[in-house]
Amino acid sequence: EDKVVQSPLSLVVHEGDTVTLNCSYEVTNFRSLLWYKQEKKAPTFLFMLTSSGIEKKSGRLSSILDKKELFSILNITATQTGDSAVYLCAVETNRDDKIIFGKGTRLHILP
Amino acid sequence: EAQVTQNPRYLITVTGKKLTVTCSQNMNHEYMSWYRQDPGLGLRQIYYSMNVEVTDKGDVPEGYKVSRKEKRNFPLILESPSPNQTSLYFCASSLGYDRDLSYSGTSIGEQYFGPGTRLTVT
Repeated sequence: EDKVVQSPLSLVVHEGDTVTLNCSYEVTNFRSLLWYKQEKKAPTFLFMLTSSGIEKKSGRLSSILDKKELFSILNITATQTGDSAVYLCAVETNRDDKIIFGKGTRLHILP
Repeated sequence: EAQVTQNPRYLITVTGKKLTVTCSQNMNHEYMSWYRQDPGLGLRQIYYSMNVEVTDKGDVPEGYKVSRKEKRNFPLILESPSPNQTSLYFCASSLGYDRDLSYSGTSIGEQYFGPGTRLTVT
């Protein structure tokens, strides 16, 4: 059965800290790995990763994929209270065009 | 403005009373999908559609129906709602990709989500 596992499930840090969120997956016919941010509403797209070792970066957020070890990390440097959200990892499959989400990591940034 | 709209945003209904949640996108996207989000379970895909008249089951399709008669619309139908369908529902759309050209760099995964519909079935 295809699955996506995120860790930790929740995390509390202080403003200015750097955090690393983890996502591991077991899927057949992997196509891409996706990261989303969900605040008090709908998820918004952050990154799509398809190749190992190539970092995607947007401001203080960055992500990288390891297709050999089947995981990805999302890094947030110099965290701000506005980074508080649930971060969702998902995998897109080639076999049947499904998208499978992990349960998310709830990140809370203390001022 | 590029967007995905859902209606209604909130709905309280009773067991067995048929309902439809509408979803519409104005981005000419090929791929559309419905998810439900429950505490501790994350987002789970109910149905998805690669294009007009093409729909497929996601991981939790039981008790739901969909149709894709037009590219922009993808309604979710609950023929006989039950309390276990109480949830937060999201519709999403994305460009899709061209199978004939293999992986062209576009993705079904770069999705735009609607604002959500909170459904309570009593």
